[in-house]
Amino acid sequence: GAVVSQHPSRVICKSGTSVKIECRSLDFQATTMFWYRQFPKKSLMLMATSNEGSKATYEQGVEKDKFLINHASLTLSTLTVTSAHPEDSSFYICSARGDRDNEQFFGPGTRLTVL
Amino acid sequence: GQNIDQPTEMTATEGAIVQINCTYQTSGFNGLFWYQQHAGEAPTFLSYNVLDGLEEKGRFSSFLSRSKGYSYLLLKELQMKDSASYLCAVMDSNYQLIWGAGTKLIIKP
Repeated sequence: GAVVSQHPSRVICKSGTSVKIECRSLDFQATTMFWYRQFPKKSLMLMATSNEGSKATYEQGVEKDKFLINHASLTLSTLTVTSAHPEDSSFYICSARGDRDNEQFFGPGTRLTVL
Repeated sequence: GQNIDQPTEMTATEGAIVQINCTYQTSGFNGLFWYQQHAGEAPTFLSYNVLDGLEEKGRFSSFLSRSKGYSYLLLKELQMKDSASYLCAVMDSNYQLIWGAGTKLIIKP
Protein backbone atom coordinates (compact mmCIF):
# COMPACT_ATOMS: atom_id res chain seq x y z
CA GLY A 1 0.00 0.00 0.00
CA ALA A 2 0.88 3.65 -0.20
CA VAL A 3 3.16 5.17 2.42
CA VAL A 4 2.53 8.31 4.42
CA SER A 5 5.15 9.70 6.77
CA GLN A 6 4.83 12.17 9.61
CA HIS A 7 7.51 14.20 11.31
CA PRO A 8 8.22 14.50 14.16
CA SER A 9 6.86 11.34 15.74
CA ARG A 10 7.01 12.85 19.19
CA VAL A 11 7.41 16.41 20.41
CA ILE A 12 7.46 18.04 23.82
CA CYS A 13 7.19 21.79 23.98
CA LYS A 14 6.58 24.59 26.43
CA SER A 15 3.26 26.31 26.71
CA GLY A 16 3.00 29.28 24.35
CA THR A 17 5.30 27.93 21.66
CA SER A 18 4.29 26.81 18.18
CA VAL A 19 4.81 23.34 16.79
CA LYS A 20 4.82 22.30 13.15
CA ILE A 21 3.96 18.75 12.07
CA GLU A 22 4.70 17.55 8.55
CA CYS A 23 2.77 14.93 6.63
CA ARG A 24 4.18 13.51 3.42
CA SER A 25 2.86 11.03 0.90
CA LEU A 26 5.97 9.19 -0.24
CA ASP A 27 4.92 7.24 -3.31
CA PHE A 28 1.70 8.80 -4.54
CA GLN A 29 0.13 12.18 -5.09
CA ALA A 30 -2.28 13.11 -2.33
CA THR A 31 -5.00 15.33 -3.71
CA THR A 32 -6.63 15.41 -0.29
CA MET A 33 -5.07 15.25 3.14
CA PHE A 34 -6.86 14.95 6.45
CA TRP A 35 -5.76 15.92 9.92
CA TYR A 36 -7.12 14.08 12.93
CA ARG A 37 -6.51 14.24 16.64
CA GLN A 38 -7.09 11.47 19.08
CA PHE A 39 -7.35 11.68 22.85
CA PRO A 40 -6.53 8.60 24.90
CA LYS A 41 -9.09 5.83 24.51
CA LYS A 42 -11.20 8.00 22.22
CA SER A 43 -12.09 7.82 18.56
CA LEU A 44 -10.31 9.75 15.88
CA MET A 45 -11.69 13.24 15.49
CA LEU A 46 -11.40 14.94 12.12
CA MET A 47 -9.96 18.43 12.49
CA ALA A 48 -9.73 19.56 8.88
CA THR A 49 -9.62 18.51 5.27
CA SER A 50 -7.19 20.10 2.86
CA ASN A 51 -6.94 19.94 -0.89
CA GLU A 52 -3.71 20.84 -2.60
CA GLY A 53 -3.51 24.52 -3.43
CA SER A 54 -6.64 25.60 -1.60
CA LYS A 55 -7.61 26.57 1.92
CA ALA A 56 -8.36 23.86 4.41
CA THR A 57 -11.92 23.12 5.48
CA TYR A 58 -12.14 23.00 9.25
CA GLU A 59 -14.61 20.99 11.26
CA GLN A 60 -16.95 22.76 13.62
CA GLY A 61 -15.25 23.71 16.85
CA VAL A 62 -11.71 23.61 15.44
CA GLU A 63 -10.01 27.02 15.53
CA LYS A 64 -8.43 27.69 12.17
CA ASP A 65 -6.17 30.42 13.59
CA LYS A 66 -4.81 28.02 16.16
CA PHE A 67 -4.38 25.02 13.90
CA LEU A 68 -2.82 26.32 10.71
CA ILE A 69 -2.88 23.90 7.81
CA ASN A 70 -0.91 24.30 4.63
CA HIS A 71 -1.16 21.89 1.70
CA ALA A 72 1.33 23.47 -0.66
CA SER A 73 2.06 20.45 -2.82
CA LEU A 74 0.60 17.09 -3.75
CA THR A 75 2.96 15.33 -1.37
CA LEU A 76 3.17 17.64 1.64
CA SER A 77 0.78 19.09 4.18
CA THR A 78 1.72 20.78 7.42
CA LEU A 79 -0.20 21.39 10.63
CA THR A 80 1.07 24.15 12.90
CA VAL A 81 -0.27 24.29 16.43
CA THR A 82 0.17 27.92 17.39
CA SER A 83 0.62 29.10 20.97
CA ALA A 84 0.23 25.57 22.24
CA HIS A 85 -1.31 24.92 25.65
CA PRO A 86 -1.43 21.74 27.76
CA GLU A 87 -4.97 20.99 26.55
CA ASP A 88 -3.55 20.71 23.02
CA SER A 89 -1.57 17.67 24.11
CA SER A 90 -2.84 14.84 21.96
CA PHE A 91 -2.01 12.33 19.25
CA TYR A 92 -2.20 14.03 15.85
CA ILE A 93 -2.61 11.80 12.79
CA CYS A 94 -2.65 12.75 9.15
CA SER A 95 -4.00 10.72 6.29
CA ALA A 96 -3.81 11.13 2.58
CA ARG A 97 -6.00 10.12 -0.31
CA GLY A 98 -5.16 10.00 -3.97
CA ASP A 99 -7.64 10.51 -6.76
CA ARG A 100 -7.98 6.84 -7.68
CA ASP A 101 -10.05 5.40 -4.88
CA ASN A 102 -11.60 6.14 -1.54
CA GLU A 103 -8.95 4.60 0.69
CA GLN A 104 -7.14 6.84 3.12
CA PHE A 105 -3.56 6.05 4.04
CA PHE A 106 -2.53 7.06 7.51
CA GLY A 107 0.70 8.50 8.76
CA PRO A 108 2.23 7.03 11.92
CA GLY A 109 1.02 9.91 14.07
CA THR A 110 2.70 12.61 16.16
CA ARG A 111 2.39 12.66 19.91
CA LEU A 112 2.39 16.23 21.17
CA THR A 113 2.96 17.00 24.83
CA VAL A 114 2.67 20.60 25.93
CA LEU A 115 4.16 21.33 29.33
CA GLY B 1 -27.13 13.22 12.85
CA GLN B 2 -24.46 10.76 11.86
CA ASN B 3 -23.74 7.85 14.13
CA ILE B 4 -21.50 4.79 14.19
CA ASP B 5 -22.03 2.21 16.93
CA GLN B 6 -19.72 -0.61 17.89
CA PRO B 7 -19.11 -2.40 21.19
CA THR B 8 -16.60 -0.78 23.51
CA GLU B 9 -14.71 -3.89 24.44
CA MET B 10 -14.65 -7.61 23.64
CA THR B 11 -12.66 -10.51 25.01
CA ALA B 12 -11.77 -13.69 23.13
CA THR B 13 -9.46 -16.66 23.46
CA GLU B 14 -6.37 -17.33 21.39
CA GLY B 15 -7.21 -19.58 18.46
CA ALA B 16 -10.92 -18.77 18.57
CA ILE B 17 -13.14 -16.66 16.30
CA VAL B 18 -14.59 -13.26 17.17
CA GLN B 19 -17.11 -11.05 15.37
CA ILE B 20 -17.11 -7.29 15.91
CA ASN B 21 -20.33 -5.60 14.85
CA CYS B 22 -20.83 -2.08 13.57
CA THR B 23 -24.09 -0.29 12.84
CA TYR B 24 -24.26 3.08 11.18
CA GLN B 25 -26.52 5.96 10.27
CA THR B 26 -24.89 8.46 7.95
CA SER B 27 -25.79 11.07 5.36
CA GLY B 28 -24.93 9.09 2.27
CA PHE B 29 -22.71 6.08 1.91
CA ASN B 30 -19.52 5.66 -0.07
CA GLY B 31 -18.11 2.62 1.63
CA LEU B 32 -17.28 1.21 5.03
CA PHE B 33 -13.78 0.68 6.36
CA TRP B 34 -12.31 -1.38 9.13
CA TYR B 35 -9.02 -0.32 10.67
CA GLN B 36 -6.83 -1.91 13.31
CA GLN B 37 -5.11 0.34 15.82
CA HIS B 38 -2.54 -0.77 18.36
CA ALA B 39 -2.07 1.46 21.38
CA GLY B 40 -0.05 4.56 20.57
CA GLU B 41 0.01 3.88 16.85
CA ALA B 42 -1.93 5.16 13.85
CA PRO B 43 -4.69 3.01 12.37
CA THR B 44 -3.82 0.48 9.68
CA PHE B 45 -6.23 -0.47 6.94
CA LEU B 46 -7.94 -3.85 7.14
CA SER B 47 -10.86 -3.84 4.72
CA TYR B 48 -13.19 -1.81 2.55
CA ASN B 49 -16.78 -2.77 1.67
CA VAL B 50 -18.99 -0.79 -0.65
CA LEU B 51 -21.25 -3.59 -1.95
CA ASP B 52 -23.31 -6.01 0.12
CA GLY B 53 -21.68 -9.26 1.00
CA LEU B 54 -18.61 -10.80 2.52
CA GLU B 55 -15.03 -9.84 1.69
CA GLU B 56 -12.45 -12.36 2.84
CA LYS B 57 -8.79 -11.54 3.32
CA GLY B 58 -6.80 -14.22 5.07
CA ARG B 59 -7.85 -14.55 8.70
CA PHE B 60 -9.98 -11.43 8.49
CA SER B 61 -13.35 -11.08 6.77
CA SER B 62 -15.73 -8.14 6.59
CA PHE B 63 -19.43 -8.20 5.85
CA LEU B 64 -21.75 -5.39 4.77
CA SER B 65 -25.52 -5.00 4.56
CA ARG B 66 -26.35 -1.53 3.30
CA SER B 67 -30.11 -1.96 3.75
CA LYS B 68 -29.58 -2.73 7.44
CA GLY B 69 -26.79 -0.21 7.99
CA TYR B 70 -24.71 -3.05 9.40
CA SER B 71 -21.24 -4.49 9.08
CA TYR B 72 -19.12 -6.94 10.97
CA LEU B 73 -15.45 -7.80 11.09
CA LEU B 74 -14.71 -11.48 11.61
CA LEU B 75 -11.33 -12.53 12.95
CA LYS B 76 -10.41 -16.22 12.81
CA GLU B 77 -7.62 -18.19 14.45
CA LEU B 78 -7.00 -15.38 16.88
CA GLN B 79 -3.42 -14.58 17.81
CA MET B 80 -2.15 -12.58 20.75
CA LYS B 81 -0.96 -9.87 18.34
CA ASP B 82 -4.58 -9.30 17.32
CA SER B 83 -5.12 -7.55 20.64
CA ALA B 84 -5.89 -4.01 19.48
CA SER B 85 -8.71 -1.59 18.89
CA TYR B 86 -10.78 -2.12 15.76
CA LEU B 87 -12.29 0.97 14.23
CA CYS B 88 -15.32 1.03 11.95
CA ALA B 89 -15.59 4.06 9.69
CA VAL B 90 -18.12 5.04 7.04
CA MET B 91 -17.41 7.38 4.16
CA ASP B 92 -20.35 9.74 3.78
CA SER B 93 -21.71 11.60 0.77
CA ASN B 94 -18.96 14.23 1.12
CA TYR B 95 -16.30 11.51 1.00
CA GLN B 96 -15.36 12.11 4.63
CA LEU B 97 -14.83 9.33 7.11
CA ILE B 98 -17.18 9.13 10.06
CA TRP B 99 -15.48 7.13 12.81
CA GLY B 100 -16.85 4.79 15.41
CA ALA B 101 -15.30 4.92 18.86
CA GLY B 102 -13.53 1.62 18.31
CA THR B 103 -13.78 -1.81 19.89
CA LYS B 104 -10.96 -2.85 22.17
CA LEU B 105 -10.29 -6.53 21.60
CA ILE B 106 -8.54 -8.41 24.38
CA ILE B 107 -7.10 -11.83 23.51
CA LYS B 108 -6.49 -14.25 26.35
CA PRO B 109 -4.23 -17.30 26.15
